[in-house]
This record gives sequence, C-alpha cells and structure tokens, in this order.
Amino acid sequence: GAVVSQHPSRVICKSGTSVKIECRSLDFQATTMFWYRQFPKQSLMLMATSNEGSKATYEQGVEKDKFLINHASLTLSTLTVTSAHPEDSSFYICSAPKGLRGAGETQYFGPGTRLLVL
Amino acid sequence: QKEVEQNSGPLSVPEGAIASLNCTYSDRGSQSFFWYRQYSGKSPELIMFIYSNGDKEDGRFTAQLNKASQYVSLLIRDSQPSDSATYLCAVLPNDYKLSFGAGTTVTVRA
Repeated sequence: GAVVSQHPSRVICKSGTSVKIECRSLDFQATTMFWYRQFPKQSLMLMATSNEGSKATYEQGVEKDKFLINHASLTLSTLTVTSAHPEDSSFYICSAPKGLRGAGETQYFGPGTRLLVL
Repeated sequence: QKEVEQNSGPLSVPEGAIASLNCTYSDRGSQSFFWYRQYSGKSPELIMFIYSNGDKEDGRFTAQLNKASQYVSLLIRDSQPSDSATYLCAVLPNDYKLSFGAGTTVTVRA
C-alpha cells in the first residue's frame, strides 16, 4: 500500500491565491522530505528539501518566499504556493526517505498534486 | 555533464520480449540506486532498488549494478503491455538528494 500520501490530488485556483499541499508519511517518521515539480513531458525537478525542526533548503532558482515549506511534524510537510500564477501550474510531488540513511534508504513518492492556476 | 544519464528512448519491444534499460552516473560516492516506473499523469513508483554490485532479481525485473563502471541497468523479462511507461533511473549521492535520469519511455507492442 501507499507509504506517502498527498492532499489534495488536484486543485484549481484563481491567479493570486495561495494553495497549500500536504505530504504525509503514513507508517514511518521522516525528518526530511523532498518536494518536486514536473512539467508535462519533462523529468522531475527537485524544488526543496523539507527539514523537520529547521528551515527548508531550496534548490537554485526556486523562490523560497513563493514556495513556503513547513515541516510541522515527523510525518507532515506542507508546501504553500503563494500568489499563484498560471506559470505555477504543474504536477507537484513529494517524497520521503524510509530506512537507514545511506545504503538502505529508499525514497517513496506521494501520488502528486496537480495544480491548475487560471 | 549530467549526473545521471539514461539510454535515449523511446524503446519499443514486442510483448514477451526483454526490455533493456541502461543508466550511468558520475558521482562515485553514490550509495543507492533505484528504478522508478512512471505512468503518464502519475507519480513515480519504486520498482527496484540495489545497493551492492551484481544482480538483483524481483519477479520479471532484474537490476544490475557495476560500481567500478558506474553503471546500472534494468531488464524487464516477458514484457507486458502494462509495462509501457517511463522508467526513471535514480541515484542517491553523498548529499542524499536523489538524482534522476531523464527517463526512458518503453512501449510494449501487443
């Protein structure tokens, strides 16, 4: 069964509004979670690393004030797309590593959230 | 130079044949290697992971790892139409952030 969940699975919003996406590890604790974005027919792009108890670290080119990340607990990370615009429309996917860090760690992906900004 | 490179697709194989997917990586310190399957419009699904040199078999899937050559492959035996998807090679380097290849799209012809 699924080990990582995401909510909502699909969201349509108006330009200028904010959208929050939740990512939960279901049967394990994750001090780190990852947020990706994927445009049609392109590969996954890592946006940021969500760290429980500390600030998220963002990849180059990703605006931290636009994509707010909060790792509220050991099983929950949220991504808020603030003042969303049509160009933010994409497939947002989170992942969480399970197992011992290094050899033994396996990353599982959530089902993704499809965001459409009108 | 890309960190993870996969053989360019798309790859089309007849039903029942073997599909062979290849992947090379640049970071010698990488510790874990994964193959994900992604159907159109869905998120990646883990199908194989391998940590040690050699072969690892799971059902119709076999992953092969050669750390000296920095090479990892995936074989799909007895390919089925349901195997038609994009396969992503992923490598876990020392910074613990997965690096993905661009993916190889496989089509299994009935």
